[in-house]
Amino acid sequence: GQQLNQSPQSMFIQEGEDVSMNCTSSSIFNTWLWYKQDPGEGPVLLIALYKAGELTSNGRLTAQFGITRKDSFLNISASIPSDVGIYFCAGREYSGGGADGLTFGKGTHLIIQP
Amino acid sequence: EAQVTQNPRYLITVTGKKLTVTCSQNMNHEYMSWYRQDPGLGLRQIYYSMNVEVTDKGDVPEGYKVSRKEKRNFPLILESPSPNQTSLYFCASSPWVAGGTGELFFGEGSRLTVL
Repeated sequence: GQQLNQSPQSMFIQEGEDVSMNCTSSSIFNTWLWYKQDPGEGPVLLIALYKAGELTSNGRLTAQFGITRKDSFLNISASIPSDVGIYFCAGREYSGGGADGLTFGKGTHLIIQP
Repeated sequence: EAQVTQNPRYLITVTGKKLTVTCSQNMNHEYMSWYRQDPGLGLRQIYYSMNVEVTDKGDVPEGYKVSRKEKRNFPLILESPSPNQTSLYFCASSPWVAGGTGELFFGEGSRLTVL
């Protein structure tokens, strides 16, 4: 399967700063999902996007489905210590009824310095 | 509580000793999948299942087997584990919606070490 290009790989930020990360693909997707993985846990869904141009918020998190359908970004405003973790993007490419699962990015490791 | 349960959470074994990692979901999801997570490589799909008795290979199926005899269970079998299968494994499930899978729900992970 293909890989999504997720960047940055890691981020070292100060508490209170805003965070931005993105994913790009050479293929068109009809779904973008953003997950967060806490240390020692499985990924948990943060935001799901289903339409090009869609902008969705979940508390301090905002994600957008790119107009070209080949990219998505996630912003976190006013970061706090519990935002630490690995953030994954995932895209789904509709293949006309086949068993299409999700393609995952390699993750952005967010580290917050007090 | 809706959840995906994996067992064991941690396992250390030796090369060649068959093992099974169980996965069970209580959400009546049609779709289930296994991933492995390795540093720098993200999540890679091993096998998936669209429904009972329907399984298919993902991106990295070599050395693994699965079965889907019941809707809720999707065990991952390593017939003859090798050190390169040392990894963190995740089971996930999803409802099947028109056009493909819905949102994936993950288990808490099983950390496997093969000596």
